[in-house]
Amino acid sequence: QKEVEQNSGPLSVPEGAIASLNCTYSDRGSQSFFWYRQYSGKSPELIMFIYSNGDKEDGRFTAQLNKASQYVSLLIRDSQPSDSATYLCAVKSSSNTGKLIFGQGTTLQVKP
Amino acid sequence: DAGITQSPRHKVTETGTPVTLRCHQTENHRYMYWYRQDPGHGLRLIHYSYGVKDTDKGEVSDGYSVSRSKTEDFLLTLESATSSQTSVYFCASKEDTLYEQYFGPGTRLTVT
Repeated sequence: QKEVEQNSGPLSVPEGAIASLNCTYSDRGSQSFFWYRQYSGKSPELIMFIYSNGDKEDGRFTAQLNKASQYVSLLIRDSQPSDSATYLCAVKSSSNTGKLIFGQGTTLQVKP
Repeated sequence: DAGITQSPRHKVTETGTPVTLRCHQTENHRYMYWYRQDPGHGLRLIHYSYGVKDTDKGEVSDGYSVSRSKTEDFLLTLESATSSQTSVYFCASKEDTLYEQYFGPGTRLTVT
């Protein structure tokens, strides 16, 4: 079992729809969770982080965390073609080294 | 964005030659990381540093060494490059008290 799992996609949604990206993790001691966006040929860009159970909203983005189910998700409302990218879920390991464990990423395609 | 640069941005080298990649940050971050990104594997940690002259191995460290003689510079060396080390290499850094990592622009390395 991989430590952080994401569906590789591609996930295709029409413009204006809600895109839902999901991630599961195996380390029950994990406390910090991150979503990075990566455009083709570019470096990962941090867009959200969440530490507590529940929802965290930032503009069109909402991160959701359920530690009991070891599940974290990212919702993108009013999806735009510019949101088309690969979204990487990252989980901070329970050690104190600050290391992040990354999922393989989900490719999102927003069709005009 | 953290001020992180990587050099070179692109490099083609031959099997068996040594290669050094440089990561430079201007944020005075204590922690620095080297990752490689390959299709089907996502981002994998090679080595990381938690201070000047303090480094440790990540999950895919074989064939790589690192050095950190100054806070701002973190060097990754491939002692004798192999074709399996063809990849995109990303450097990242983070502040001491936060968990978020910020990435450099990446180096595309091709070993022929």
